[in-house]
Amino acid sequence: QVQLVESGGGVVQPGRSLRLSCAASGFTFSGYAMHWVRQAPGEGLEWLAVISYTGTNQYYTDAVRGRFTISRDNSDNTLYLQMSSLKTEDTAVYYCAKDSIFCSGGSCAFGYFDDWGHGTLVTVSS
Amino acid sequence: DIQMTQSPSFVSASVGDRVTITCRASQGISSWLAWYQQKPGKAPNLLIYAASSLQGGVPSRFSGSGSGTDFTLSISSLQPEDSATYYCQQGNGVPFTFGRGTKVEIK
Repeated sequence: QVQLVESGGGVVQPGRSLRLSCAASGFTFSGYAMHWVRQAPGEGLEWLAVISYTGTNQYYTDAVRGRFTISRDNSDNTLYLQMSSLKTEDTAVYYCAKDSIFCSGGSCAFGYFDDWGHGTLVTVSS
Repeated sequence: DIQMTQSPSFVSASVGDRVTITCRASQGISSWLAWYQQKPGKAPNLLIYAASSLQGGVPSRFSGSGSGTDFTLSISSLQPEDSATYYCQQGNGVPFTFGRGTKVEIK
């Protein structure tokens, strides 16, 4: 079955950087777009970024554009989120999520988030 | 960005009750809408996609309807395990956005 396992979270000072990883298994990783979604303590869900199945295209929400970079390694079935210039308001549980639409070629629409990891907590604090 | 307005933010109902949650998009999104259930300390779980399609493995007491700007999630007969927070999400285009959530409590 689909497994998504995030890692790399921890406590980091404001202004510093951190890289999250998401190890995928149980499905054809290279056939699906992948997303990062976060949830601040006691708050709702916030979509952050998506990367297309080939890695060619990336899209971001305004709050992280220019500071966060989503990438993937299809040879290693791993998704990444490089976070820089971290702010206290970036404190959250970060989830990776699999897109619901399988893409076998060409340009594909993004769908929904049908599988999620367990999340990794990032705390930005001095 | 498309804003998703969910209501109510909290509902308390008894086992067996019918519960309805609504979600309104700030602009038309056709049927590009999903519903998720999240229990404390857990990742969200996809319940409904394309406004009314039931995700595999989800009990049939859950149903979704709507198109354009107005959508509903219904639980036909509330069960104890349905105690959770429910979120709508528009999949019409980036940035994808969620509603603020509806917490469902069992009386």
